[in-house]
Amino acid sequence: AQSVAQPEDQVNVAEGNPLTVKCTYSVSGNPYLFWYVQYPNRGLQFLLKYITGDNLVKGSYGFEAEFNKSQTSFHLKKPSALVSDSALYFCAVRDPTGGGNKLTFGTGTQLKVEL
Amino acid sequence: NAGVTQTPKFQVLKTGQSMTLQCAQDMNHEYMSWYRQDPGMGLRLIHYSVGAGITDQGEVPNGYNVSRSTTEDFPLRLLSAAPSQTSVYFCASSLTSGRGQFFGPGTRLTVL
Repeated sequence: AQSVAQPEDQVNVAEGNPLTVKCTYSVSGNPYLFWYVQYPNRGLQFLLKYITGDNLVKGSYGFEAEFNKSQTSFHLKKPSALVSDSALYFCAVRDPTGGGNKLTFGTGTQLKVEL
Repeated sequence: NAGVTQTPKFQVLKTGQSMTLQCAQDMNHEYMSWYRQDPGMGLRLIHYSVGAGITDQGEVPNGYNVSRSTTEDFPLRLLSAAPSQTSVYFCASSLTSGRGQFFGPGTRLTVL
């Protein structure tokens, strides 16, 4: 069975500083990995994905994520945080050997960027 | 394109009542899914569909039914609502399994 862990419920960062939101995964095959962001009272928005290829993936709003197969991690990063980045972030994994588009989500990490 | 639309936005039910949450997408996406979001639990997959006429169970299917008679619509039915089904429900769609999913704005359901 596939699973995702986001070990931090909340991450606090000062504006302008780099941010990292951690994600580790467990899946039987080569994973499809995703990051989504959720603003208050809104649905989730897709940020970026890793399917294959370069381990550093660039996405929307200046975010990037690094796939590390040996550590089974897919941490979300941004070089310089903005107050507007404050939101709930979800990591998700899909085992491509399974049918459909069954994503397993982590429990989410609340990012708070302060002035 | 309207993207993924969900109705209603809010709903309050009494235990034992039935209702249907509507979901529609106008992007001609084959894949559609229903999730529920509960505090501290992330999103959990209820049911999904890989195309018209094809549906399958996700992680938490009990108490919910779905059908997919057209590519555009994927309604979620609660046959006999229970307080444990109080949650925020999201519908999502994607073109293929490797693409990011587009999410609707959600339906906040309270079962008394």
